[in-house]
Amino acid sequence: KAGVTQTPRYLIKTRGQQVTLSCSPISGHRSVSWYQQTPGQGLQFLFEYFSETQRNKGNFPGRFSGRQFSNSRSEMNVSTLELGDSALYLCASGGGYDNSPLHFGNGTRLTVT
Amino acid sequence: DQQVKQNSPSLSVQEGRISILNCDYTNSMFDYFLWYKKYPAEGPTFLISISSIKDKNEDGRFTVFLNKSAKHLSLHIVPSQPGDSAVYFCAASGNQFYFGTGTSLTVIP
Repeated sequence: KAGVTQTPRYLIKTRGQQVTLSCSPISGHRSVSWYQQTPGQGLQFLFEYFSETQRNKGNFPGRFSGRQFSNSRSEMNVSTLELGDSALYLCASGGGYDNSPLHFGNGTRLTVT
Repeated sequence: DQQVKQNSPSLSVQEGRISILNCDYTNSMFDYFLWYKKYPAEGPTFLISISSIKDKNEDGRFTVFLNKSAKHLSLHIVPSQPGDSAVYFCAASGNQFYFGTGTSLTVIP
């Protein structure tokens, strides 16, 4: 089974621009979650989608948004980029049911200059 | 507010000895706990999990212990190997997954 695929792996953007990150979950997984990882902050939860509906949302500003398509693929968008948005963005998929682990992709490293 | 805490940012252990990584949580409603391992430039990899109805789960060299009264979780790696050198994250599941800030383990040959 193919794992979680995230594209692109690396991105360099300028302050004020917007960016879209893509995630393809493991086949059969209906839940997709997004996390931001910065040094010393661990993994901060952005949002979770299940069957095209946002099921949960973390404490991030409205500049961060996402969506999920009917094939479970997901995209995350960040508008009006700030320097502090530089981070590793991780996508994870899961079965969407209790007591099942998340499986992560290798992430997109976003650098905002 | 950090609901899952890993108070040791780093740990060094000799090859062959035991590695013990610790994790504390604040929410007694958490019912599923996990450990992940992360190498640089890769995403976290699921290692082992435990349900709140158990106090121990073992998988090869890895054992996770759960002390619900103390709201404490630990991961034991025996024997430690150089390939175990990585950052380890603990996580707890409530309405979402909450992650600790990670412990960087170095296993010295």
